[in-house]
Amino acid sequence: KQEVTQIPAALSVPEGENLVLNCSFTDSAIYNLQWFRQDPGKGLTSLLLIQSSQREQTSGRLNASLDKSSGRSTLYIAASQPGDSATYLCAVGRNSGYALNFGKGTSLLVTP
Amino acid sequence: DVKVTQSSRYLVKRTGEKVFLECVQDMDHENMFWYRQDPGLGLRLIYFSYDVKMKEKGDIPEGYSVSREKKERFSLILESASTNQTSMYLCASSLTGTSGFYEQYFGPGTRLTVT
Repeated sequence: KQEVTQIPAALSVPEGENLVLNCSFTDSAIYNLQWFRQDPGKGLTSLLLIQSSQREQTSGRLNASLDKSSGRSTLYIAASQPGDSATYLCAVGRNSGYALNFGKGTSLLVTP
Repeated sequence: DVKVTQSSRYLVKRTGEKVFLECVQDMDHENMFWYRQDPGLGLRLIYFSYDVKMKEKGDIPEGYSVSREKKERFSLILESASTNQTSMYLCASSLTGTSGFYEQYFGPGTRLTVT
């Protein structure tokens, strides 16, 4: 069964820092990998989707990389802002179906 | 923009009641999903549907059923609500194209409390 782990579970950084969130998965036979943001009590907002044949995707200050062979993905956030404070979730698309396996998230706090 | 809506943001029900959670998407997506989210356990898949009237069990289907009579609407049914079904319920949808599976879009969630 696919296990998805996110480290660290929580992170606090001062505004302006560049930071990296980590995601690892146990089964490299994935279809794709998706990063989400979740604000407290709200639904999930899709940030980036990486297909299994891709190595990275970029959107604004966000860059996500994928290394299937080592079972790892990273989300890089440049020049962090207080508005980036949220929980970030990594989810791996199952090769055998349509659904996602989620990590438990990294709770990020960016202080002014 | 893709929009996924859920019928209620907050719901309080009594043990034993039959509960319906509704989800509607407006982008003609083939696939729809129901997840629940619990502290310390993360998001877990309950059921999904890849076409009208088609459904597949997810990882935790016990105590739940689903209905998809129209492409845009996917309902989650708790036949007899129990306190251990108190949770945040999240609906999602996605396309399946010739190039593969597309990203999932989520609704705002329904926080269900069963007393």
